[in-house]
Amino acid sequence: QKEVEQNSGPLSVPEGAIASLNCTYSDRGSQSFFWYRQYSGKSPELIMSIYSNGDKEDGRFTAQLNKASQYVSLLIRDSQPSDSATYLCASDSLSGNTPLVFGKGTRLSVIA
Amino acid sequence: DAGVIQSPRHEVTEMGQEVTLRCKPISGHDYLFWYRQTMMRGLELLIYFNNNVPIDDSGMPEDRFSAKMPNASFSTLKIQPSEPRDSAVYFCASSLGGVSNQPQHFGDGTRLSIL
Repeated sequence: QKEVEQNSGPLSVPEGAIASLNCTYSDRGSQSFFWYRQYSGKSPELIMSIYSNGDKEDGRFTAQLNKASQYVSLLIRDSQPSDSATYLCASDSLSGNTPLVFGKGTRLSVIA
Repeated sequence: DAGVIQSPRHEVTEMGQEVTLRCKPISGHDYLFWYRQTMMRGLELLIYFNNNVPIDDSGMPEDRFSAKMPNASFSTLKIQPSEPRDSAVYFCASSLGGVSNQPQHFGDGTRLSIL
């Protein structure tokens, strides 16, 4: 049973701080990883994808992948109240022929 | 570009009634996914299609649930008869070129309440 685990939170950080969101996955063969942001009452919105070990930066967002540790993280620099949302981590499977597996999400609250 | 379009946005109906949810994927996308989201269970995949063909419906909870994709631009998810435990937000998503190595784009969802 493939699993993606996330701490449900809430994770509270002050405005301007770095928010660090973490995700672990069970399928060692997973190759593709995605971070989605979901505002309350809205649909998930893709914000980052990462396929290789290391860091990938996009604006204030940095995704980090460590396949040896089966660990994916999302860093949000200079956190803003508008970043308050639930962040979903998703990964694929070894075969690549089965759909993404989503974690249950971490709720982030940025305090002004 | 138009995103994934779902209708209705909200549906409130009584137990035992038939419910039909509709989805129009992004033009050109060859994969379509139906999800259900609740606080307790998170985002659950119900069924997905590739080129209009159902590939995996193992997530469909019961025979009361059925889904069709008669053409590349339209899909339905039907619940008959509906039960209160079916209350959830139902999302449709589409992607291009891969079931899992390509990002999925979600519609706004249908918030379903069964009384």
